[in-house]
Amino acid sequence: DARVTQTPRHKVTEMGQEVTMRCQPILGHNTVFWYRQTMMQGLELLAYFRNRAPLDDSGMPKDRFSAEMPDATLATLKIQPSEPRDSAVYFCASAGTSGNRASSYNEQFFGPGTRLTVL
Amino acid sequence: GQNIDQPTEMTATEGAIVQINCTYQTSGFNGLFWYQQHAGEAPTFLSYNVLDGLEEKGRFSSFLSRSKGYSYLLLKELQMKDSASYLCAVIDWSGNTPLVFGKGTRLSVIA
Repeated sequence: DARVTQTPRHKVTEMGQEVTMRCQPILGHNTVFWYRQTMMQGLELLAYFRNRAPLDDSGMPKDRFSAEMPDATLATLKIQPSEPRDSAVYFCASAGTSGNRASSYNEQFFGPGTRLTVL
Repeated sequence: GQNIDQPTEMTATEGAIVQINCTYQTSGFNGLFWYQQHAGEAPTFLSYNVLDGLEEKGRFSSFLSRSKGYSYLLLKELQMKDSASYLCAVIDWSGNTPLVFGKGTRLSVIA
């Protein structure tokens, strides 16, 4: 049963600390997304990768957030330094899409999320 | 720009039918998704529409009108387990962000 996995599932940290969240996409999926969800803003796209290359990270605060894909089986989202306003659930999702930008997107499969609390 | 609107909350009775509307304004529309999200869980895929018309899948149907920038999700024979948030998401190639989610409609099914 293929699924997206994320670690950790919960993280409580103090303001100023570094936070690293990890995601393992479904094997064979070539597109990976990072989302943040809060009650106020809903689900916001932070960054996404296709074939490990970053395509867009305009949704991320550049000064403190960074997203990488060291290899096809691992995506990371790092916050340094963390702030209380970063408290949210962070979802990773993966999808299998063709290389043609004009082609339709397939459904995204979401991981269980990392619930981050910054005190 | 991108703008997606859906009602914040809805309540419906078990066994009834409910329609959740979604309107959008985009300049590079290329498809619309509906996702279901139970409290504390991840969103899960329900449907995908790229052409006008109705797509039916069991108790759930999704409709799209591209000319009107409008979609709805229809849930029939409501069950208590259908209580969840329903997210409308639009593929828009006009900007850098490929998929934009609405804020979701929280549906409560009551006995």
